[in-house]
Formats: sequence, C-alpha cells, structure tokens
Amino acid sequence: NAGVTQTPKFQVLKTGQSMTLQCAQDMNHEYMSWYRQDPGMGLRLIHYSVGAGITDQGEVPNGYNVSRSTTEDFPLRLLSAAPSQTSVYFCASSSVTGPNQPQHFGDGTRLSIL
Amino acid sequence: QKEVEQDPGPLSVPEGAIVSLNCTYSNSAFQYFMWYRQYSRKGPELLMYTYSSGNKEDGRFTAQVDKSSKYISLFIRDSQPSDSATYLCAMSAGNQFYFGTGTSLTVIP
Repeated sequence: NAGVTQTPKFQVLKTGQSMTLQCAQDMNHEYMSWYRQDPGMGLRLIHYSVGAGITDQGEVPNGYNVSRSTTEDFPLRLLSAAPSQTSVYFCASSSVTGPNQPQHFGDGTRLSIL
Repeated sequence: QKEVEQDPGPLSVPEGAIVSLNCTYSNSAFQYFMWYRQYSRKGPELLMYTYSSGNKEDGRFTAQVDKSSKYISLFIRDSQPSDSATYLCAMSAGNQFYFGTGTSLTVIP
C-alpha cells in the first residue's frame, strides 16, 4: 500500500550540479505531476503527464526536464541547479477515469542548492 | 494577480471551536474544488472534493462553493488538536491544478 513514493527525502547540491528526483506510484494512475512548494507561494505546478510518453509544462517549468517512459515512474531532472531551485518538491498522481480527479501526494523531497 | 488567494493565517482556536477557512479565485473556468490538509514535513492529503456550487459534508467537515462569488469555504466543527495542520485549497481546469498558499491552523487543547 505504498501510494506515491519519492526519493531521496533530502538532498544538498552545489550550484551547477545536476540530479534526478525520483517518483513512483503503484496505483496505476495515468496522471502524474511535479510541484514545488515555497513559503508564501504555495504549490506551483512544474510539469505534468497524462500518460506514458506524454508530458507538458506547468506554471514554472524552466530549469526542469521530465520524461514518462512507464505508467509507474515520473522522474524530475534538474539540469544545472541554481539557488532559486531550493524548495520542497512534491510528486502527485491521480486516476484519469474522469476529468480532474483529485491527486495523491508523496511526502516530498527537500532540496537545498548552495 | 494569483489564480487562487488564501489567507495564510496563522489561525489559533480553542478545542471544540468551529473553524472557517476560505479561498477566493479569479478564473471562472474552475469547476473542481478541493481542500487538502498538510501536516508538517508531509505531503498534502485530500480532505474534500466538490464539483460546482453547493455544499458537501463529510463528518465534521463541510465544503462550500459559491461560483457566482468565486469563493470557497471549509468549515470544521468541534475542532480537535489533531486538526492542527496547514489547509490548502485547490481548484482545477483542464489538466492543471492551482493551489492556495495554505492557512496554518492550531487547535489549542
């Protein structure tokens, strides 16, 4: 009964480094998404996917890449980390059996860029 | 202007009080409205989910949507210390979800 699993839980990077945040779900959900949560800004959508092989940009996509090769996994890549990307990152998934189904969230990855 | 506006609080109430949390929005295309609860260092968890205007009740929680005023509310009756958390409103149109900044609630025993 894992739901949405995010790894790692914490990470510290230096400016310019790259890394991949992992997200996996075991609910056979078609829709998956990545958010960042910053104080005073709330949750902001970075990228989302409505199924394997299909991705699209959200509100704040710059500096991030995604791909969706399987239904279960939706990794988020930081190409060249910047201090402005210090944040808590959440992955979420939902069923697309009907429009706009509510989402299930992982417990987040806390990322610091020095 | 943000798509969704939410008073960040913090809000502090005594145990047993009725709590009212509110959000306003600007996009008339929003059709689905949600409330999430987020405990410290955890992901948001869904509390209530409504479609269009009206009320929906689930135990001690009531969600209210007024599309004509672009205003949604969450009421918590008989509040408990375990209700202490941040409450996020969310709404969606198409494939994108928009969240409020969250209201921090503390229920004092």
